[in-house]
Amino acid sequence: DQQVKQNSPSLSVQEGRISILNCDYTNSMFDYFLWYKKYPAEGPTFLISISSIKDKNEDGRFTVFLNKSAKHLSLHIVPSQPGDSAVYFCAAGRNFGNEKLTFGTGTRLTIIP
Amino acid sequence: DAGVIQSPRHEVTEMGQEVTLRCKPISGHNSLFWYRQTMMRGLELLIYFNNNVPIDDSGMPEDRFSAKMPNASFSTLKIQPSEPRDSAVYFCASSQTGEAKNIQYFGAGTRLSVL
Repeated sequence: DQQVKQNSPSLSVQEGRISILNCDYTNSMFDYFLWYKKYPAEGPTFLISISSIKDKNEDGRFTVFLNKSAKHLSLHIVPSQPGDSAVYFCAAGRNFGNEKLTFGTGTRLTIIP
Repeated sequence: DAGVIQSPRHEVTEMGQEVTLRCKPISGHNSLFWYRQTMMRGLELLIYFNNNVPIDDSGMPEDRFSAKMPNASFSTLKIQPSEPRDSAVYFCASSQTGEAKNIQYFGAGTRLSVL
């Protein structure tokens, strides 16, 4: 049972436009969410996170939105740049208790110059 | 810091052979995680350790898989005997409890091909 779902395996966006990556979760116990970025032949690297006490967190061109009632989060990248082309993983965990993270299957983002 | 170091980067072996993947976590981190990446399931957690003790191994697919962490700076994931369906990229990650909550730092991975 996939508790964290990224239903779009791929997404193509024109350079300079907004990229929106989506993630849904089913476990209401999750209260901390992260986005990771992965380039080919490298490990995932942390990008941005959000706690369930917030509905938005912003870091430069990257903003994560959390809708707890819908169990949905999204990552907005604006403006999109060619270097943003990568696979993006959504992950969920709990603030208290163990440190286990549950990852989605990833979305491959391609920025078209 | 050199980050999480995994070896080998690539491993090609024949079905039935034993495979050992190695990981050195970031110095000072007290949690270590082993993941497997596949197209169908994304990043699956296999097992994780806290202070060298296995905490959750519910993701280990079967008895052919085993993991150890003999000390704070080294862990191994062993597959014996290996099967073609074990072919995947295996990642190791580490984190520090209480610091930058839940952020795990990943190694570059080991790409395993079982023929």
